[in-house]
Amino acid sequence: QVQLQESGPGLVKSSETLSLTCTVSGGSTSSRNYYWGWIRQPPGKGLEWIGSVYYSGTTYYNPSLKSRVTISVDTSKNQFSLKLSSVTAADTAVYYCARHNRHSSGVCSSFDYWGQGALVTVSS
Amino acid sequence: QSALTQPPSASGSPGQSVTISCTGTSSDVGGYNYVSWYQQHPGKAPKLMIYEVSKRPSGVPDRFSGSKSGSTASLTVSGLQAEDEADYYCSSYGGSNNLGVFGTGTKVTVL
Repeated sequence: QVQLQESGPGLVKSSETLSLTCTVSGGSTSSRNYYWGWIRQPPGKGLEWIGSVYYSGTTYYNPSLKSRVTISVDTSKNQFSLKLSSVTAADTAVYYCARHNRHSSGVCSSFDYWGQGALVTVSS
Repeated sequence: QSALTQPPSASGSPGQSVTISCTGTSSDVGGYNYVSWYQQHPGKAPKLMIYEVSKRPSGVPDRFSGSKSGSTASLTVSGLQAEDEADYYCSSYGGSNNLGVFGTGTKVTVL
C-alpha cells in the first residue's frame, strides 16, 4: 500500500519561503509510471494543483504559481519537496502531496494516492 | 487557467441518484479523456473515485459512475447512502502547461 506523508513548518512568516517535504513509502519515486504532485486547499475552499515532478527531475507547474514554485525529487531518499517563495496570507492552506498517474500516452491522468495534508499558516 | 465549473450543491434521499456536472472548455474537459473525480469528507484527504472519465479504481463501489459529453463531464451516484455525503471535485488534464485543473467543488447532501 502506497503511503505519502507531508512534513515541514506549520507556520511561515509573510514574504518568506514555504518548504514542505513528502516522504513516500510502499512505492518508489524512481518509477517511470508516475509523477509526484502537490495540491493545496485554502480553508473552506477548493483544490488547486500546484505542480508535479517526474523521477528525472522534469517539472510542470500551475501557470498562476510558476514564478514562485520549485518542486524537486530525491529518489535516494524516496522524497519530493515543495518550495513556495514570497508567501502571503493567501498562501495559507492545507498542502497535500499525491501520486500523479502517468498514462501510457505520457499524460498525467489522476491523483490516486494522497497524503493526509499539512496545514501551513502564513503570519504577518 | 480557470477552475472547472461545478454546481455548489446537490442532494438526494437515500436510495436515490444524484448527478454532478463539471463544465470546462475544449482546452481541458472537451479536449481530453482524462477527467477524474474525487470525494472528500470533512478534515480528510480527497479520495479518487473515477479516472479517465469513467473508470473506477479498485474498491470504489459501482454505484459511482462517470461520463462525458463535449466539454461537460458528469458523476452519478446511484443508490445514495449516508456515507456518500461529502464534497466532490472533478479534475481534468489541461495540456502540457496545466496538468491538473480542478473543479469548484460540489457538496452532496443525503437528505
